[in-house]
Amino acid sequence: DAGITQSPRHKVTETGTPVTLRCHQTENHRYMYWYRQDPGHGLRLIHYSYGVKDTDKGEVSDGYSVSRSKTEDFLLTLESATSSQTSVYFCAIRGRGEQYFGPGTRLTVT
Amino acid sequence: GESVGLHLPTLSVQEGDNSIINCAYSNSASDYFIWYKQESGKGPQFIIDIRSNMDKRQGQRVTVLLNKTVKHLSLQIAATQPGDSAVYFCAETPPGAGGTSYGKLTFGQGTILTVHP
Repeated sequence: DAGITQSPRHKVTETGTPVTLRCHQTENHRYMYWYRQDPGHGLRLIHYSYGVKDTDKGEVSDGYSVSRSKTEDFLLTLESATSSQTSVYFCAIRGRGEQYFGPGTRLTVT
Repeated sequence: GESVGLHLPTLSVQEGDNSIINCAYSNSASDYFIWYKQESGKGPQFIIDIRSNMDKRQGQRVTVLLNKTVKHLSLQIAATQPGDSAVYFCAETPPGAGGTSYGKLTFGQGTILTVHP
């Protein structure tokens, strides 16, 4: 997985609770990304980062925020989880041009 | 908005056959394309990429073809093996504002490849 870990790997939470997912890389890459994957939609970009404290929105950013206080960690926060945010979340880093993905976090919002 | 799409959602082949997975893209300004393989319960795995200044690129048992005239991308897998069974995604990098895409990818929905022994 190209030195990318995600935590937790599985989480069940209730509607309205805050949730933070963590992506950790060991290869000092500048660019990091958060995607969600849902049946019939492939992967969709939520937010991305192009450096420490430099982040921007992706295609489906509503209801999500991110932070990157150091190169190796990129956090995705659901301020108030909703059932529509039940999904599998993937973090990615950018190599020469291609992106390498982490193992994913399966989040269920009940 | 523009997006990457696939012609076929599923493909079944016999072991040893060659497989061809197709992808249509709609953003003629995209300059970089990638194929990913995703096995059940895992993250997408990089297979091969191609830039828009090329029309063919070969890897180990895989070939990617790019036809910019009709905005079509294909992945050919030679001598398909049961271990090739997975979902295959194509992805493109559309140009971003000011010419910087930040590497953002737009993915297609995926094709399920099943290889029968």
